[in-house]
Amino acid sequence: SQQGEEDPQALSIQEGENATMNCSYKTSINNLQWYRQNSGRGLVHLILIRSNEREKHSGRLRVTLDTSKKSSSLLITASRAADTASYFCATDARGGADGLTFGKGTHLIIQP
Amino acid sequence: KAGVTQTPRYLIKTRGQQVTLSCSPISGHRSVSWYQQTPGQGLQFLFEYFSETQRNKGNFPGRFSGRQFSNSRSEMNVSTLELGDSALYLCASSLGTGFRNQPQHFGDGTRLSIL
Repeated sequence: SQQGEEDPQALSIQEGENATMNCSYKTSINNLQWYRQNSGRGLVHLILIRSNEREKHSGRLRVTLDTSKKSSSLLITASRAADTASYFCATDARGGADGLTFGKGTHLIIQP
Repeated sequence: KAGVTQTPRYLIKTRGQQVTLSCSPISGHRSVSWYQQTPGQGLQFLFEYFSETQRNKGNFPGRFSGRQFSNSRSEMNVSTLELGDSALYLCASSLGTGFRNQPQHFGDGTRLSIL
């Protein structure tokens, strides 16, 4: 089963607005990562946040992590058409031998 | 610095055949992981190699295998192909042994279609 579950599954907003995506997971983690995937391409790493961190920023991206609720959010501010993509959270389960476990992603569409 | 290179980009096979996919990691990266991406199951971890050794394996049948060479290049093999093996196969590389706590650098994948 998927460790991470993104919400919403799809999101459509106007260019310039902020986009917020959420990720929930089931087991304790060492860290959580966010990736972007453009149609037909590979994944691009956005941010890694460790379990002892609560918030992290990178340019227009802001990620929060709440380990008590087993959830994370990705905020993209001042969205651009080029931000149109699918966004995935990936977790590293503490004590797990498996690789990164990905959610099914949020498909973000930025309307010009 | 060149990114992760996967070949071929597209592949069409028939049921029962076997296939080998190739991945060249970023120069200096020693860890290579493989993932299968399908619309129904999403991204699923196949296996990870580091220094020519398989370190982790996902929940896939033995028809899925891989190896890593001394130059860190990796190959993935699927034997006795089934229709359900149709997917985008992604390779990712990272610097060191702690691949789960490091950013993964992905290639653009090999799109495998089974007829």
